[in-house]
Amino acid sequence: GAVVSQHPSRVICKSGTSVKIECRSLDFQATTMFWYRQFPKQSLMLMATSNEGSKATYEQGVEKDKFLINHASLTLSTLTVTSAHPEDSSFYICSASGTLAGAPNEQFFGPGTRLTVL
Amino acid sequence: AQRVTQPEKLLSVFKGAPVELKCNYSYSGSPELFWYVQYSRQRLQLLLRHISRESIKGFTADLNKGETSFHLKKPFAQEEDSAMYYCALSAAGNTPLVFGKGTRLSVIA
Repeated sequence: GAVVSQHPSRVICKSGTSVKIECRSLDFQATTMFWYRQFPKQSLMLMATSNEGSKATYEQGVEKDKFLINHASLTLSTLTVTSAHPEDSSFYICSASGTLAGAPNEQFFGPGTRLTVL
Repeated sequence: AQRVTQPEKLLSVFKGAPVELKCNYSYSGSPELFWYVQYSRQRLQLLLRHISRESIKGFTADLNKGETSFHLKKPFAQEEDSAMYYCALSAAGNTPLVFGKGTRLSVIA
């Protein structure tokens, strides 16, 4: 099946710094990538949708200047949390979908990145 | 507005007993419905989708448009079924998923 990786898997940073999380589709071209956030014992909440080569579409309540999303290629999307604060601590999960034979529009999930802001 | 409701946070059943994980949805059009599963320390993965009408690992789910439900069922639970199960909805095509809050299934030996 299709594989999506995320890097890093875990990151701890100081308040006020920026953190970049990478999401890669390893064996298929991802025309669309989605970024989710998951708080402890809660469900996944969609943050934004990004299509390759276009600006990301953010969900209501998600600050686009704080959570910068770039999807410059068909295999890579990045989420940068700028000026991170403790309340940004969370589990960030990406998913990717593309034109896979047999799985059109199916979303494949990355393993997630745990961000802790001190 | 799109919404997915999973009323049970935790469901415990004995091995060999039937399982039903409930999911209700709210959507004005014709949605695609999915069940995702997350085993311990693993990533989220697709279990089944309503358009496939297939059985995966013994699980089935039927879309009931009248009741706006997509309950997940398995006649005989196995210990390896213990996991977190999420029901999700999307509009047709390549659109974002809206997840329910998830149900943790615990199968007791």
